[in-house]
Amino acid sequence: DGGITQSPKYLFRKEGQNVTLSCEQNLNHDAMYWYRQDPGQGLRLIYYSQIVNDFQKGDIAEGYSVSREKKESFPLTVTSAQKNPTAFYLCATTGTRRPNEQFFGPGTRLTVL
Amino acid sequence: QKEVEQNSGPLSVPEGAIASLNCTYSDRGSQSFFWYRQYSGKSPELIMFIYSNGDKEDGRFTAQLNKASQYVSLLIRDSQPSDSATYLCAVNMDGSARQLTFGSGTQLTVLP
Repeated sequence: DGGITQSPKYLFRKEGQNVTLSCEQNLNHDAMYWYRQDPGQGLRLIYYSQIVNDFQKGDIAEGYSVSREKKESFPLTVTSAQKNPTAFYLCATTGTRRPNEQFFGPGTRLTVL
Repeated sequence: QKEVEQNSGPLSVPEGAIASLNCTYSDRGSQSFFWYRQYSGKSPELIMFIYSNGDKEDGRFTAQLNKASQYVSLLIRDSQPSDSATYLCAVNMDGSARQLTFGSGTQLTVLP
């Protein structure tokens, strides 16, 4: 059963804590992305990675960090430096067979208490 | 700064009518254009993409592109209540989906 999994589905964080959101894919896709979506807003790119061990900042990278040690995995850490982290976080991938489509995971909803 | 603009809505149409969703973009070098549908609390799913000026039809959906006017639209014919969702326009410069700039979305409600 191929696809993208994100965990957890819901995450609650206290102010000042770092949290890591998981994104795993078994689609054999090279490119992976992290987006943030706020209520009533579109998606804003946080980080993206075209290949293993390489990643680039997107439009709103401040307060976030990522790693890409494996092709299948692209975890996102929301650090305490992110001032307003409450949002819906979406992971996406793109493969070479269907470069016209970004496939999205189910998302993680992060709430800061 | 690349921008993609959409009317936030909400847009309400009666069942069976044509829903028209519009999007403008600021970067004249943009080459490919995508429409995603997002149900409340869910992740976006691709409906259509278009590269060339003119119309592209897929079932009840038609995407229209006018690069001179920097305008792309999505028409939904015979609208159904199940079409009620937020529709996101996304734009890319290099001809693939590798990096997308999204609009804020238009919320569509199809009334039974």
